Amino acid sequence: NAGVMQNPRHLVRRRGQEARLRCSPMKGHSHVYWYRQLPEEGLKFMVYLQKENIIDESGMPKERFSAEFPKEGPSILRIQQVVRGDSAAYFCASSPPGDNTEAFFGQGTRLTVV
Amino acid sequence: KNEVEQSPQNLTAQEGEFITINCSYSVGISALHWLQQHPGGGIVSLFMLSSGKKKHGRLIATINIQEKHSSLHITASHPRDSAVYICAVTMDSNYQLIWGAGTKLIIKP
Repeated sequence: NAGVMQNPRHLVRRRGQEARLRCSPMKGHSHVYWYRQLPEEGLKFMVYLQKENIIDESGMPKERFSAEFPKEGPSILRIQQVVRGDSAAYFCASSPPGDNTEAFFGQGTRLTVV
Repeated sequence: KNEVEQSPQNLTAQEGEFITINCSYSVGISALHWLQQHPGGGIVSLFMLSSGKKKHGRLIATINIQEKHSSLHITASHPRDSAVYICAVTMDSNYQLIWGAGTKLIIKP
């Protein structure tokens, strides 16, 4: 049973390009969470998704950011028209259905905007 | 005041020393997590606690719900334990994790 898989591990984008970050949850996990870690800062919650549903996107910037978790395939965090301030590590975690279940983290994607 | 506070922020110790990292929180929680983040950024879940004590290898985590306090202990510390250790809580009212600022641990050989 592979862990939470994120790809790519490193992503470099020029300002104005789009960034797509993928997260494949652990087998049997239907809940996905995305977090962002800005340089020298802690992890910040961005969005919580279940299959085909966004449950809570209160941590997502209002513009340019979107997330999805389709019925088939990985969860995608999409950042349009990236800016230098988007440079950060983006972590995905997944958990099985139910309350108070442990979340497992992926290795993260380090996005650098040049 | 942050809802989750960790201490110390930085800790340097010699190999073999017993290490304690503390976490205090001010909100009602359903669970507390200890995580490890190595240089290079990957995050590993170490423990999830809602009461009592858990042990895994040289790592021990305890929680006192009444005092709203948890500790992470490392016995016989080793340079490979050098990492940032993060305490996070899942609030009673929702599923979001509230994170502590992390403790940067360096173990010198």
